[in-house]
Amino acid sequence: DAGVTQSPTHLIKTRGQQVTLRCSPKSGHDTVSWYQQALGQGPQFIFQYYEEEERQRGNFPDRFSGHQFPNYSSELNVNALLLGDSALYLCASSLLDRDFREAFFGQGTRLTVV
Amino acid sequence: SQQGEEDPQALSIQEGENATMNCSYKTSINNLQWYRQNSGRGLVHLILIRSNEREKHSGRLRVTLDTSKKSSSLLITASRAADTASYFCATENFGNEKLTFGTGTRLTIIP
Repeated sequence: DAGVTQSPTHLIKTRGQQVTLRCSPKSGHDTVSWYQQALGQGPQFIFQYYEEEERQRGNFPDRFSGHQFPNYSSELNVNALLLGDSALYLCASSLLDRDFREAFFGQGTRLTVV
Repeated sequence: SQQGEEDPQALSIQEGENATMNCSYKTSINNLQWYRQNSGRGLVHLILIRSNEREKHSGRLRVTLDTSKKSSSLLITASRAADTASYFCATENFGNEKLTFGTGTRLTIIP
């Protein structure tokens, strides 16, 4: 059973460019959340998708957008990249309809903006 | 914004010793979870404790939760070199399924 998979592993982009990161959730999971982790910090919640809709959103600008597909996979898009967007982007999947939700994380995409 | 703070920020101990790290948080929670992260890669779920629980064990891990003090501790007994990693606590609030992470404790086990 494959866990959460993310692609690509590493990415280098130039300021002002746009980037798309991809995530396939763990088999059987229906909810995907995205987190940004700056160097030396804990992950920060970006947004969560369930049934192809954005359920919750953290304190991130509209340059950050996402999508969830019918097969539950998800994309994170970031427009007009800034140097400060350089971080590890983590995807987590879980089952929404449970009394507690253990989140399974992917290995992340390391984005460097130059 | 970060919900919690881990303490200490960094910890180095000899292999075989016990490691204790603490987490404080700010708001009422539904549950608190601990995660491990190796070398800035993915997070591995270690243990979840619900707000109505006070203590939980899983293998060499022992977690306590004090909701009156809004704090939790993670104890790793008989540490091994493979336990070297960063450890994060994360809280889930009622009606809000996102995880809010603390700042992490960097644990180094010296062989």
